[in-house]
Amino acid sequence: GDSVTQMEGPVTLSEEAFLTINCTYTATGYPSLFWYVQYPGEGLQLLLKATKADDKGSNKGFEATYRKETTSFHLEKGSVQVSDSAVYFCALRINAGNNRKLIWGLGTSLAVNP
Amino acid sequence: NAGVTQTPKFQVLKTGQSMTLQCAQDMNHEYMSWYRQDPGMGLRLIHYSVGAGITDQGEVPNGYNVSRSTTEDFPLRLLSAAPSQTSVYFCASSSYRGETQYFGPGTRLLVL
Repeated sequence: GDSVTQMEGPVTLSEEAFLTINCTYTATGYPSLFWYVQYPGEGLQLLLKATKADDKGSNKGFEATYRKETTSFHLEKGSVQVSDSAVYFCALRINAGNNRKLIWGLGTSLAVNP
Repeated sequence: NAGVTQTPKFQVLKTGQSMTLQCAQDMNHEYMSWYRQDPGMGLRLIHYSVGAGITDQGEVPNGYNVSRSTTEDFPLRLLSAAPSQTSVYFCASSSYRGETQYFGPGTRLLVL
């Protein structure tokens, strides 16, 4: 079945370090891919998305490229800040009919130290 | 716009009690859903709705009921609370053609 696998956390980095959070997926159709972020004590919010192969989503200095050949959607940021400390979720949605359900990864916790 | 609102923020129940978690959205979204979030388990879908009067089960529906009498509201009912239902509950909504799900701030539930 459809699934999302994220690298396990927690990830701990120093401020200004480079961040990569790996995400790979298994899907029978042509999914849309998403990264959501959850700051402490809050609900999830969309960080970025990509709807077709080779698309690059970007927001707040974060980027992820939809790689169909490797079924991956890795999240990257060149220089993290303390304010980026959060839990990051990779998700996919199969684009078929009425289906709006998302398939979620387990989340990766990121802690950035000053 | 308030977006997606949830009440209460925090609730303590005794085993066997019932309660309703409220969720409302003011974006005229057709699709609404309830998730629970547990450590190491990620987000799991409880129930969802594609419009007023239409609901369906997600991955973990047992012990929960939902109804959707209006576009705006999607309450989640716990029929007889159990300690295994201790969790953080999130409501989310999206438009029918929308790519983005909008989440509420969550309800933290403790069942003793």
